[in-house]
Amino acid sequence: DTGVSQNPRHKITKRGQNVTFRCDPISEHNRLYWYRQTLGQGPEFLTYFQNEAQLEKSRLLSDRFSAERPKGSFSTLEIQRTEQGDSAMYLCARLNRDRRFYGYTFGSGTRLTVV
Amino acid sequence: QQPVQSPQAVILREGEDAVINCSSSKALYSVHWYRQKHGEAPVFLMILLKGGEQKGHEKISASFNEKKQQSSLYLTASQLSYSGTYFCGTEGGSRSTSGTYKYIFGTGTRLKVLA
Repeated sequence: DTGVSQNPRHKITKRGQNVTFRCDPISEHNRLYWYRQTLGQGPEFLTYFQNEAQLEKSRLLSDRFSAERPKGSFSTLEIQRTEQGDSAMYLCARLNRDRRFYGYTFGSGTRLTVV
Repeated sequence: QQPVQSPQAVILREGEDAVINCSSSKALYSVHWYRQKHGEAPVFLMILLKGGEQKGHEKISASFNEKKQQSSLYLTASQLSYSGTYFCGTEGGSRSTSGTYKYIFGTGTRLKVLA
C-alpha cells in the first residue's frame, strides 16, 4: 500500500480513443501531482493540484490532456484522441511535508499502451 | 536543465559499495533520492536540504553540496534488494508561476547487484 491508489493498472487502447485514469490519495492531502514516465527515463511533471485548484501545467500537457480534482480528494486525468506517443506510465503522487518524511509518495501508476 | 546522473549503469557483487552522483546546472534548494524497481513506482529514500547535510537510511547515505550543485548517494555493503534504477529529484532554479521551485528528476542510474 503506497498510500496512493491508481486505476486501472494497465490500459490498452486504440489510437484515437479517449482514456481516463483515476487517482485516490489514501489520506487527505492538499497537493496532488501527475507525472508521466517513459521507459528508461525519470518521471516528467505534468500538472499539480492544491486542493481542487490546478495550479500548474507542464508544456507536456497538450490540449488533448485534461485533469480534474473536483472535490479536492481524488483526481482524474483524461487523454483525448490518444496517439502512440502517449504510451507511458502515468503516475500520481502526493507530496508529504512531514518532518520525518518529506518527499513524494507515488501510486503504482497506470501503464498506457496505445496501439 | 535535467540533472545528470553518473554513472548511467553499474553492476556490483553483493557486499560491494557504489556511489551515484547527481549534478545540476541550477542552484538547488533540496535533493531527493528515489529507487524504482522494474514495473513499480519510484520509492522515496531520503531528502537533503541545502546546508551540506548528510543523511542515512539503512546502509544508504547521501550528501549534498549546494555550492557545487551536486548530490551523491552512497550504497555500502550492497544487497540484492538494492537493484533498481535510482533517480535524484531536485528542487531549485527559478520558481514556478505558483511560487514553488521547479522539481525535476535526474537521468537515472541503473544498479544491478549480483549474488
